[in-house]
Amino acid sequence: QVQLVQSGAEVKKPGASVKVSCKASGYMFTGYYMHWVRQAPGQGLEWMGWINPNSGGTNYAQRFQGRVTMTRDTSISTAYMELSRLRSDDTAVYYCARSSSAGATPDDAFDIWGQGTMVTVFS
Amino acid sequence: DIQLTQSPSFLSASVGDRVTVTCRASQGITSYLAWYQQKPGKAPKLLIYAASTLQSGVPSRFSGSGSGTEFTLTISSLQPEDFATYYCQQLNSYPYTFGQGTKLEIK
Repeated sequence: QVQLVQSGAEVKKPGASVKVSCKASGYMFTGYYMHWVRQAPGQGLEWMGWINPNSGGTNYAQRFQGRVTMTRDTSISTAYMELSRLRSDDTAVYYCARSSSAGATPDDAFDIWGQGTMVTVFS
Repeated sequence: DIQLTQSPSFLSASVGDRVTVTCRASQGITSYLAWYQQKPGKAPKLLIYAASTLQSGVPSRFSGSGSGTEFTLTISSLQPEDFATYYCQQLNSYPYTFGQGTKLEIK
């Protein structure tokens, strides 16, 4: 079945980097944009950006520009999100999520989500 | 950034009730609006996209309407499994933003 499986929980110190993976299965990985969304404990959802798995093109939310890098490895149908210069307020569950329609634009709702990866930043 | 304001933030209702959640956008987003349901410890689940289109597999008691700046999510007859937090999301312009959430609790 169509699914996204993310890597396990991480604990990092302030100033470090974290890289979360998201392995896709059950569909053509390069056919659908992949987004990253985070959720701080007890808080709402925050969109971080997308990657086009076909071209590798990216679009990041401005507030994460310079700190976030989204990449992919098409040979293993996996997307990655790396966040650097971590701060305590980066503590959150990080989700990958697929755009619902195959095609040329990323502005479709997110129909498939990973299970989430908890990233904890503390000293 | 486009701000989405959901009302109410908390809603207490009973099984069988009809409930409506409103999402207002700070500027027009045509129909680029989605609704999600999230249960504790789980990823969000897509319910409605393009403001009013029911996602495959979602029960027909869920419906969405609106365009421009005002949107609604309606659950026609609440079921026990519907008690959760609901979020709207705009995909009209970057950054894509979410409403603050509406927590639906059992009365």
